[in-house]
Amino acid sequence: AQSVTQPDIHITVSEGASLELRCNYSYGATPYLFWYVQSPGQGLQLLLKYFSGDTLVQGIKGFEAEFKRSQSSFNLRKPSVHWSDAAEYFCAVASGGPLRGLIFGQGTELSVKP
Amino acid sequence: GAVVSQHPSRVICKSGTSVKIECRSLDFQATTMFWYRQFPKQSLMLMATSNEGSKATYEQGVEKDKFLINHASLTLSTLTVTSAHPEDSSFYICSAPVFARRAYGYTFGSGTRLTVV
Repeated sequence: AQSVTQPDIHITVSEGASLELRCNYSYGATPYLFWYVQSPGQGLQLLLKYFSGDTLVQGIKGFEAEFKRSQSSFNLRKPSVHWSDAAEYFCAVASGGPLRGLIFGQGTELSVKP
Repeated sequence: GAVVSQHPSRVICKSGTSVKIECRSLDFQATTMFWYRQFPKQSLMLMATSNEGSKATYEQGVEKDKFLINHASLTLSTLTVTSAHPEDSSFYICSAPVFARRAYGYTFGSGTRLTVV
């Protein structure tokens, strides 16, 4: 069965430090992978997505993610975190095309220390 | 572009009453709408998929009679929580697929916080 695992429930980093949020997926075919960010009580904003091609994907707000098929991973990175990046981050995989919805990971809550 | 407007953003209702949540696609036609539920500090779980003009498809374990979904037009999908109980209190989010060139993505509503008292 398809699944997404985000091993880290909560991460705290200092402002200006680098960030990496982990995501592992289980999917039989070539996965379509997404990273979303959610502020408290808000909907989801797309950071980036991977469909095919270049395995290093650039997104908004300075985020990037690298697809590694051999490790079944799609980790999100940012070289320098800003206080405004504090939020909940979700990794997701398309469960079988655009008409099938997304399977989400458990989410990683990011806190940023001044 | 591709905005989904979700209303209300917050609703408090008494136990046993029904609540309707609306999602409208503002600048595109949404033939499909996904409905997710998110409990506090948890992930989003797909509840059901609605398709314009046909019956909704519910995920395993979701009560069809409690969560009524209607997708009567290409721009409006509604979720009605019937006979709501405190355990139905949750954050409900709608989402629609959007297509661009050879790729696709999903746009999300801003969510509805339902509190049943």
